[in-house]
Amino acid sequence: GEDVEQSLFLSVREGDSSVINCTYTDSSSTYLYWYKQEPGAGLQLLTYIFSNMDMKQDQRLTVLLNKKDKHLSLRIADTQTGDSAIYFCAEEGSNYKLTFGKGTLLTVNP
Amino acid sequence: EAGVAQSPRYKIIEKRQSVAFWCNPISGHATLYWYQQILGQGPKLLIQFQNNGVVDDSQLPKDRFSAERLKGVDSTLKIQPAKLEDSAVYLCASSSLGGLFLTQYFGPGTRLLVL
Repeated sequence: GEDVEQSLFLSVREGDSSVINCTYTDSSSTYLYWYKQEPGAGLQLLTYIFSNMDMKQDQRLTVLLNKKDKHLSLRIADTQTGDSAIYFCAEEGSNYKLTFGKGTLLTVNP
Repeated sequence: EAGVAQSPRYKIIEKRQSVAFWCNPISGHATLYWYQQILGQGPKLLIQFQNNGVVDDSQLPKDRFSAERLKGVDSTLKIQPAKLEDSAVYLCASSSLGGLFLTQYFGPGTRLLVL
């Protein structure tokens, strides 16, 4: 079955790098996603990675994928207070169905 | 481009009452999703529509939840009767199947509190 696990909390200082980790179970997932949720808001797609890639960089965001270990990570460089939010990892299964983790609450301290 | 619209934003009801939520997807998006997000959890898919047909409703509690998407555009999700454990945020998302991959765009959600 599909299951996505994430660490629940991460606290960093402004300017440091943040690394959020995720493990998934569906080896047939075509795409893996990172979504951001700010308080009282819906989910915003941050970035994605295709399953045949190892790494993807998009400005301050770097996604690393270890398909053998089914491990995904999101690195945010130069973390700012505006990055404080909940970050969700999601795997895409059949019929484009997304299975989300429980989310990682990122707190950025000034 | 206008985003996914949902209403109401907040709803408080007593258990055993009925409630309905409305979603208007992004124009031209064929696929529409309803998710339930319980506090402290990630969103869980309740139902997925492709135009006005159901693709996946395996996690929809059909004894009390129903959803429809008439004319393949707007959608309503209904709970009848509501239970305390239905307290959650109900998120609507839509996507277009064009391009290389799927991007789901989410609405702001409806926050339901069942007392």
